[in-house]
Amino acid sequence: NAGVMQNPRHLVRRRGQEARLRCSPMKGHSHVYWYRQLPEEGLKFMVYLQKENIIDESGMPKERFSAEFPKEGPSILRIQQVVRGDSAAYFCASSPGGQYGYTFGSGTRLTVV
Amino acid sequence: QKEVEQDPGPLSVPEGAIVSLNCTYSNSAFQYFMWYRQYSRKGPELLMYTYSSGNKEDGRFTAQVDKSSKYISLFIRDSQPSDSATYLCAMSDAGNNRKLIWGLGTSLAVNP
Repeated sequence: NAGVMQNPRHLVRRRGQEARLRCSPMKGHSHVYWYRQLPEEGLKFMVYLQKENIIDESGMPKERFSAEFPKEGPSILRIQQVVRGDSAAYFCASSPGGQYGYTFGSGTRLTVV
Repeated sequence: QKEVEQDPGPLSVPEGAIVSLNCTYSNSAFQYFMWYRQYSRKGPELLMYTYSSGNKEDGRFTAQVDKSSKYISLFIRDSQPSDSATYLCAMSDAGNNRKLIWGLGTSLAVNP
């Protein structure tokens, strides 16, 4: 079992470009969560998805951010027109049935220059 | 006031010491409590998971929850240099969104 796979590990984007972060959950896991980590703020919930459904997106900024978890393929977190403030580590986690003790990937570190 | 408060440390102890890590919280609706360990440049790794009040032990790790005081603890016995990491507490209410609220983490260094 390869665990939760996130790619890329590091992503550099210029201001105004789009960033696409991918997350493949553990085998058998149908629940995916995205969190953002900033040094002085800690981990912040962004969105909770099940296959083809957004369950809770209360932590997502209203503009420029979107997430999906299609029937086939990885979950995608998309950030349009990135700004310097989007620079952070983005972590994906998955669980088999919406359990609290979910498993995290190693994260994607986004740097906006 | 943050919903979850955690002393960031850093905490430095000699190998073999007993380590005590703590978090306080303000939301009395929290019922699920977790401790994660995070190594540098890695994702958080679940160590302990507790529902409601009480103690839970797993090897060298013991988690305690005191809901009346809104206080949770993680104890590490016989600490090892490999325990050097950041320890994060996380918690959630009984809602269906499985959203975790996190402390900022405590940085621990175990010196050989």
